[in-house]
Amino acid sequence: DAGITQSPRHKVTETGTPVTLRCHQTENHRYMYWYRQDPGHGLRLIHYSYGVKDTDKGEVSDGYSVSRSKTEDFLLTLESATSSQTSVYFCAISEWGGYNEQFFGPGTRLTVL
Amino acid sequence: GENVEQHPSTLSVQEGDSAVIKCTYSDSASNYFPWYKQELGKRPQLIIDIRSNVGEKKDQRIAVTLNKTAKHFSLHITETQPEDSAVYFCAASMDQAGTALIFGKGTTLSVSS
Repeated sequence: DAGITQSPRHKVTETGTPVTLRCHQTENHRYMYWYRQDPGHGLRLIHYSYGVKDTDKGEVSDGYSVSRSKTEDFLLTLESATSSQTSVYFCAISEWGGYNEQFFGPGTRLTVL
Repeated sequence: GENVEQHPSTLSVQEGDSAVIKCTYSDSASNYFPWYKQELGKRPQLIIDIRSNVGEKKDQRIAVTLNKTAKHFSLHITETQPEDSAVYFCAASMDQAGTALIFGKGTTLSVSS
């Protein structure tokens, strides 16, 4: 597996609290992605980054923000968590982005009560 | 925006049979179509991909075909084995750079021996 870690791996939180998930890579890949995976919905892109401080929205970005201050770290923040954001969150990295394989992290299981 | 439909949602075959999974996409500008495999409890991994300037690509027992006119692409697995049992996701690029992906909802393939 590519050098990608996600933290925390599991988290239970309450509605209305802020939550930050971290993705860390040691591959020096330029592109980083956040997905959520829900039963019956497959993988849905939340946000992605194509460089330090360069980010763009995916198909389900409402309620989420991201930041990338260093090449190796990509943070996903839920400003005020809702039960609909209960999901498994995957980070992925890609060396050059376009037409390139995306390598996925181990995932974070988030439960919002 | 781009939409990807994937069928069937579940597929059961006998070991040694062939399996075919089909996807359709809506945006004619999509030009990159990868397939990912996710084993139970694991992260998704790329198994094969195809660009829009190619009609077919093969890698041992796996092949992908693309029909740009009809906007559909298919994954073909021959001589299936129990270790092929997994969830398979097709995807299409959201942008012309092939950077951001829209995934189908997945097909659960079960291969019985």
